[in-house]
Amino acid sequence: DTEVTQTPKHLVMGMTNKKSLKCEQHMGHRAMYWYKQKAKKPPELMFVYSYEKLSINESVPSRFSPECPNSSLLNLHLHALQPEDSALYLCASSHIGRGRVAGEKLFFGSGTQLSVL
Amino acid sequence: GQQLNQSPQSMFIQEGEDVSMNCTSSSIFNTWLWYKQDPGEGPVLLIALYKAGELTSNGRLTAQFGITRKDSFLNISASIPSDVGIYFCAGQRGTSYGKLTFGQGTILTVHP
Repeated sequence: DTEVTQTPKHLVMGMTNKKSLKCEQHMGHRAMYWYKQKAKKPPELMFVYSYEKLSINESVPSRFSPECPNSSLLNLHLHALQPEDSALYLCASSHIGRGRVAGEKLFFGSGTQLSVL
Repeated sequence: GQQLNQSPQSMFIQEGEDVSMNCTSSSIFNTWLWYKQDPGEGPVLLIALYKAGELTSNGRLTAQFGITRKDSFLNISASIPSDVGIYFCAGQRGTSYGKLTFGQGTILTVHP
């Protein structure tokens, strides 16, 4: 099973709402990622978790709050978003190490298409 | 920030034609990855390259890791309609674990 599962598939929220995006993988990967992608643009890294600890935050606004409850789950909590935050939010996972400092393959989920009204 | 120059930006081809796209950088990368993305879906990994000069195939797809470690290309032979999508190259530097640098993408359209 090489699948990263994201829910919900679509989400519409107002600027005062609080919502959460969920991601799950069962590939035994110990690195998990959140990316943001605008239409026809490349994905942009937001957060990286390694061994359930936040290792990279790409200066993301605090209205996005990531959480990694265990090695299989990754959440992204959303609060007071702006219309410009509307985008496809992608979760990804990968192995860590295997003798390489870097260069692990990332596997992406199908994403959550978020619209902020 | 780090840039990957991916070309062409878009391609319109006839079914059965071969396709070639490439990515270049001014910096060295330790890993090159090629992804394909369909509308409304996440990127799907096509090929991963780890060594300079490495040539790897996956069905009708062939990709190479440039000798200088600053470029990579992807070829698709005998294109079919389901090859339609956006193709992204991505590179990872040894000092930036967990951070992929993506190219801007090549939008491929295949006419039957």
